Amino acid sequence: AQTVTQSQPEMSVQEAETVTLSCTYDTSESDYYLFWYKQPPSRQMILVIRQEAYKQQNATENRFSVNFQKAAKSFSLKISDSQLGDAAMYFCAYRVPYGGSQGNLIFGKGTKLSVKP
Amino acid sequence: DGGITQSPKYLFRKEGQNVTLSCEQNLNHDAMYWYRQDPGQGLRLIYYSQIVNDFQKGDIAEGYSVSREKKESFPLTVTSAQKNPTAFYLCASRRQGNSPLHFGNGTRLTVT
Repeated sequence: AQTVTQSQPEMSVQEAETVTLSCTYDTSESDYYLFWYKQPPSRQMILVIRQEAYKQQNATENRFSVNFQKAAKSFSLKISDSQLGDAAMYFCAYRVPYGGSQGNLIFGKGTKLSVKP
Repeated sequence: DGGITQSPKYLFRKEGQNVTLSCEQNLNHDAMYWYRQDPGQGLRLIYYSQIVNDFQKGDIAEGYSVSREKKESFPLTVTSAQKNPTAFYLCASRRQGNSPLHFGNGTRLTVT
């Protein structure tokens, strides 16, 4: 069964600094999607970035980038120039690519990021 | 504006009562999902529906029921059989293919 593990329950970063959130996953598939979602105190789930496994190039969205290591099944999120508004829960997710549950997301337990002014 | 509407935002019920959480989307998405979120547990899938009039159990379906009579609507009923119903519930939807999930704002259910 596929699993997603976020080993850091909480992280803290100074404003304007860089922070990296870790995520590992387990799957026997070769083609799949990975996502990072942000959940601020409003509890709205916001898509931050996504990565297609068949693409070797790491995805980037403005200050957010990923380090995708397919062989190691690692998918870390790097936030550069951290801002106060980045404070939130961050969830890593794996999307089931095939079968009856195709399209379903499996989430990690989340990392709570605090940003210090 | 298109989006997913969950109502109400807060819901209170007495133990032993069934309660239905509403989820409506005007994004013309085919697939809809219900997730439960508890502190320290991340999001866990309750039920999902890929097309109208069809739905499948997720990882924690016991004590819950759903219907999908219309493409736009996917209500979740929390029955009295659910042993620990107090939680935050999130509804989501997506188009078929490789599109990402879009989430509603959630419903906080408290059962006492």
